[in-house]
Amino acid sequence: SQQGEEDPQALSIQEGENATMNCSYKTSINNLQWYRQNSGRGLVHLILIRSNEREKHSGRLRVTLDTSKKSSSLLITASRAADTASYFCATGGNSGNTPLVFGKGTRLSVIA
Amino acid sequence: ETGVTQTPRHLVMGMTNKKSLKCEQHLGHNAMYWYKQSAKKPLELMFVYSLEERVENNSVPSRFSPECPNSSHLFLHLHTLQPEDSALYLCASSQALAGASTDTQYFGPGTRLTVL
Repeated sequence: SQQGEEDPQALSIQEGENATMNCSYKTSINNLQWYRQNSGRGLVHLILIRSNEREKHSGRLRVTLDTSKKSSSLLITASRAADTASYFCATGGNSGNTPLVFGKGTRLSVIA
Repeated sequence: ETGVTQTPRHLVMGMTNKKSLKCEQHLGHNAMYWYKQSAKKPLELMFVYSLEERVENNSVPSRFSPECPNSSHLFLHLHTLQPEDSALYLCASSQALAGASTDTQYFGPGTRLTVL
């Protein structure tokens, strides 16, 4: 399975600190995406990184991808209480019609 | 808001009831999805529709019956559910045809379903 698996399962930090979440997967991918979910709500797309990219930024978010290690990381800098949510990675396969496969997520708590 | 709406937001039903979940996307997308999200489990893909045709069905029990009358609307008809079917049901849409995983998905807020 190409399922992404996030690490850690839960993370608690103080406001202002950086938060790093990791995702590992098993098979070749076309792209990897990160999504955020507030409690009991739908997922919101954060960033997509393609297999030929190594790093991508969006505001306070920084995503890296290491295809040789089959892993990705999401860094949130200068965290805020509003960043409290679950974060999911989703992997897209190389076959054109394969759907995204989501991991179990990392629960991030940012304490004010 | 993401442009994907779901109704109802909360639903409580008995095991003998029949109910339907509705999803509508206002983004002009070509593919729509139903996911099930249970506590401490990965998001489970249930159905994928591309241009109103089902292209993926991940061995979902027949007590869940999807319907896609047009590219903007998606329904999930429920009948004789079990308590273990209680979960958050999420609808999503994407621009790409055939539910290709190269595309971003836009999710609705979900329907919290409780089966008694």
